[in-house]
Amino acid sequence: AQSVAQPEDQVNVAEGNPLTVKCTYSVSGNPYLFWYVQYPNRGLQFLLKYITGDNLVKGSYGFEAEFNKSQTSFHLKKPSALVSDSALYFCAVRALMFSGGYNKLIFGAGTRLAVHP
Amino acid sequence: DAGVIQSPRHEVTEMGQEVTLRCKPISGHNSLFWYRQTMMRGLELLIYFNNNVPIDDSGMPEDRFSAKMPNASFSTLKIQPSEPRDSAVYFCASSLRTGNSNQPQHFGDGTRLSIL
Repeated sequence: AQSVAQPEDQVNVAEGNPLTVKCTYSVSGNPYLFWYVQYPNRGLQFLLKYITGDNLVKGSYGFEAEFNKSQTSFHLKKPSALVSDSALYFCAVRALMFSGGYNKLIFGAGTRLAVHP
Repeated sequence: DAGVIQSPRHEVTEMGQEVTLRCKPISGHNSLFWYRQTMMRGLELLIYFNNNVPIDDSGMPEDRFSAKMPNASFSTLKIQPSEPRDSAVYFCASSLRTGNSNQPQHFGDGTRLSIL
């Protein structure tokens, strides 16, 4: 079965400190992995994706994510957190559809990031 | 470029009434998704379309829910009759389906539905 796990409901970090939001996955075949961010009263916004190539992927707003195949993880990171980074973060993996390989995503439950001044 | 446009942004109605949510995907996108988000269940995929054809509706909760995509620029999600447990934020998303399916989904800002 294909799945995504975000083990932390909430992550707290002080402004200026590095942050990590964890994600592990289980898929058949090569994983296509995504991170999204959701601000209050808004839809999800795409941050970055891993398809192939370098294990360190850079995305919007200074975020990056590290793909680790042996640990089946795709953790989101940022070297220096901002208060404005406070939001809900979702990890997602593309689900393989036997009927045609369509681009359906499986989302994790989300992790709330709180950055304190 | 305009993003995914959903209407209305807020809907409050009484139990038993018909509710219609609307979505205009990004021009040129050929995949469209309807999601529901609640505190208890998180983000759930209800149905998705490719080239206006429903591909997977296994997430539609029951027969009271229906979705249509009459053309590439418009989709509706209908609930009839509505119930209080349908209260949630409903999102529409679109993406460009390519051969290797690596394109991200782009979300609208959702419709906050409250059934009294």
